[in-house]
Amino acid sequence: QKEVEQNSGPLSVPEGAIASLNCTYSDRGSQSFFWYRQYSGKSPELIMSIYSNGDKEDGRFTAQLNKASQYVSLLIRDSQPSDSATYLCAVNPEDNYGQNFVFGPGTRLSVLP
Amino acid sequence: DGGITQSPKYLFRKEGQNVTLSCEQNLNHDAMYWYRQDPGQGLRLIYYSQIVNDFQKGDIAEGYSVSREKKESFPLTVTSAQKNPTAFYLCASQGTDTQYFGPGTRLTVL
Repeated sequence: QKEVEQNSGPLSVPEGAIASLNCTYSDRGSQSFFWYRQYSGKSPELIMSIYSNGDKEDGRFTAQLNKASQYVSLLIRDSQPSDSATYLCAVNPEDNYGQNFVFGPGTRLSVLP
Repeated sequence: DGGITQSPKYLFRKEGQNVTLSCEQNLNHDAMYWYRQDPGQGLRLIYYSQIVNDFQKGDIAEGYSVSREKKESFPLTVTSAQKNPTAFYLCASQGTDTQYFGPGTRLTVL
């Protein structure tokens, strides 16, 4: 059974702080990793993808991947109240087109003004 | 303007009724997916299709049915056999390696 685990939260951080969201996965052969943001009552939207070990930065977001530790994280710098949402980690377990994603349960982030 | 559309946005079902949720995409993606999300919960896979005229059961297919007659369309029918259908239903499509979601349909049983 391929699994993706996340702390359910809520994770509360003050405005302007760095929010750190973590995700671990069970399938060592996984190749593609994604972070989605889901606002309450809305559908998930893709915010980051990462494929190689190391860091990938996009604006205030940084994804970090460590395949040896089977760990992927998302850092949000200068957190804003508008970042308050549930963040879903998703893993594509095979390097094949059309394989099913495995989603984590999500971490709820609350940024306090 | 490329994307995934779902309709209706809200749907109300009476006991014993079948209802069909629409999902259309113009992204030229081969793979399409249906997920169910209950309040405060993660995504659960209902059905998926990787090619026209073929589809596979996901983790919670009982009480649901799908068809894939066109590449662009993947409708989901919630049958009367699904005893607790109240949930948020999400359709997704996948190109090479990334899934994108439609806006969702919120189904409520009256």
